[in-house]
Order: sequence, then C-alpha cells, then structure tokens
Amino acid sequence: AQSVTQLDSQVPVFEEAPVELRCNYSSSVSVYLFWYVQYPNQGLQLLLKYLSGSTLVESINGFEAEFNKSQTSFHLRKPSVHISDTAEYFCAVIPLGRFGAGTRLTVKP
Amino acid sequence: NAGVTQTPKFRILKIGQSMTLQCTQDMNHNYMYWYRQDPGMGLKLIYYSVGAGITDKGEVPNGYNVSRSTTEDFPLRLELAAPSQTSVYFCASSRGTGATGELFFGEGSRLTVL
Repeated sequence: AQSVTQLDSQVPVFEEAPVELRCNYSSSVSVYLFWYVQYPNQGLQLLLKYLSGSTLVESINGFEAEFNKSQTSFHLRKPSVHISDTAEYFCAVIPLGRFGAGTRLTVKP
Repeated sequence: NAGVTQTPKFRILKIGQSMTLQCTQDMNHNYMYWYRQDPGMGLKLIYYSVGAGITDKGEVPNGYNVSRSTTEDFPLRLELAAPSQTSVYFCASSRGTGATGELFFGEGSRLTVL
C-alpha cells in the first residue's frame, strides 16, 4: 500500500522569507514523486517531479525538492517566497496517484 | 490544445437525483482518474482506468460508477446523490505510470447536493 503525509496543513510566511513544505511517503514498491500546485479556483498544475537520477530537482519558478530515500521524504523548499506563491501545494506518489492532504502556503506582505 | 475537459463546471443536485460528470482528453493517454477534493482532505482517488474497457476502484468508490468505452472518455456517474457527495471533482489523465506518470488535470466540477 502507498500513502502520502504532508506534515503541515497551513504554512504562513512573510514575503522574501524561506519556506519548507514537508512530505513523507510510504510504499512497498519503487515510487516516483511529484509536487503539484493549485491556485485559487483552479485545477492542479505540475510544479516538479522526481523520477530518477539527481535527488535534487528544481522548478522554473525557484522551488526545489530533495528526494531522501532513507527518510522517505520529498520536502519542497524555496529560499525566498513571493506573494504570488500563495496557493495550496500537494505531494503525490506514482503509481496509483495517491495525493497528500495538501499544505496551504500563505505569503504575507 | 484542449487537454482534459470536464463538464459541467457547476451543478446543484437534490438528494436522490443522479447525474454524470463528463471527462474527455485529447492527448491519447491510457490512464485516467477521478478524484474528489474536500477542504483539508487533499485529493481522494475515486476510480481509475488504465485503458479502454478497464476500470478499478480507488480509495473512495462508494456511491459512484465509471465506464471507459473509449480512450478519450471517462464519465463518472453518481447514483442517488447524497449530501456527502458535495465536493469538487477533478478528472486527470496520464500516459502511464513511472516516468510518464505526470497527471494532467481538468479544471474541476463543483457539485452541491441539497
């Protein structure tokens, strides 16, 4: 069985501060890990993904995530957030498409 | 480039009514999924399909049915709607699992059962 746990339901931060959104997973088989972002009243968009190779993956808008097999984690980080990063972020495990409960990131001015 | 298209975007049902949420994709993806999203609960997988003619239950299938007669279409049927089915429903598709496992989502269908 597979499961995904996002450890924080809400993360409020000030603009230009660093942020980490935590994701842990459990699986009896090899997995591929994804982060999706959902802006208000929109569908989900892929933010970044880990398939193989380097354990550090980056997105085009400054987010990065590191796959840690020993800790079964795939935490999402950004060194300096913007107001426009306010959204809900979902960690997902493939195969079988299991999603975490989501972390609502709120960036305050 | 349409991607994944869901209809309707909004619907209000009375308890006991039935309806079908339509989902179609134009990317020739084999895998299709239906999720429901409730506040603070993330996305829960209702049903998925790995190809035409093949469907399987996800985490929360009770009260729903699906069919997959073509690669493009994956409708979700609600029989005897209940207030607990008030939710936002997302359809998604992907080429496959593993390296091709990226899910492409529709814009969602907001369903209210009164």
